[in-house]
Amino acid sequence: KNEVEQSPQNLTAQEGEFITINCSYSVGISALHWLQQHPGGGIVSLFMLSSGKKKHGRLIATINIQEKHSSLHITASHPRDSAVYICAASSPSYQFYFGTGTSLTVIP
Amino acid sequence: KAGVTQTPRYLIKTRGQQVTLSCSPISGHRSVSWYQQTPGQGLQFLFEYFSETQRNKGNFPGRFSGRQFSNSRSEMNVSTLELGDSALYLCASSTLTGGASPLHFGNGTRLTVT
Repeated sequence: KNEVEQSPQNLTAQEGEFITINCSYSVGISALHWLQQHPGGGIVSLFMLSSGKKKHGRLIATINIQEKHSSLHITASHPRDSAVYICAASSPSYQFYFGTGTSLTVIP
Repeated sequence: KAGVTQTPRYLIKTRGQQVTLSCSPISGHRSVSWYQQTPGQGLQFLFEYFSETQRNKGNFPGRFSGRQFSNSRSEMNVSTLELGDSALYLCASSTLTGGASPLHFGNGTRLTVT
């Protein structure tokens, strides 16, 4: 069993749609990270969460520590949001666990 | 501020050889972590260094090793290369250890083992 599970694996949306990507984890965490990877490999850190909710532009990330669950929301999706989104848990024992990623395609 | 720099960008090696990859973190960042990314396994944690000390290591054989220098630059070494070591190797730097601060990734080194 993977320590971090993400869903869905693939997601296709029409431009303007509201998108949700889910992440469940089974390990104790010091923080939960949401990463974005565009074709070509570069990874960008979108959010780092240890509690509550964070917002940056059209992106919102939430975490429920008791339920060991986090969500990434994209409001008013745009084709430039097309990328792979990866959930990562960092543990107090300095380990990192990654989800398998959600491949998002936003169609104009 | 300059970003995280990884060198080289591409590398082709033969089975049995060894390879050294380099990562220069953002100025002021003391943590450097390394990851392997493959189509089959996705992203996997290799190890993290903070102030020249290895904090932890992922589930990889002893052929994978690393070190960090006093200027926070880090190198990882893979000895006795196997075909399965072909992957994108990424490093990330951060101000705090253990993922307690945002990770800043380099563009990676794509290693091909033939």
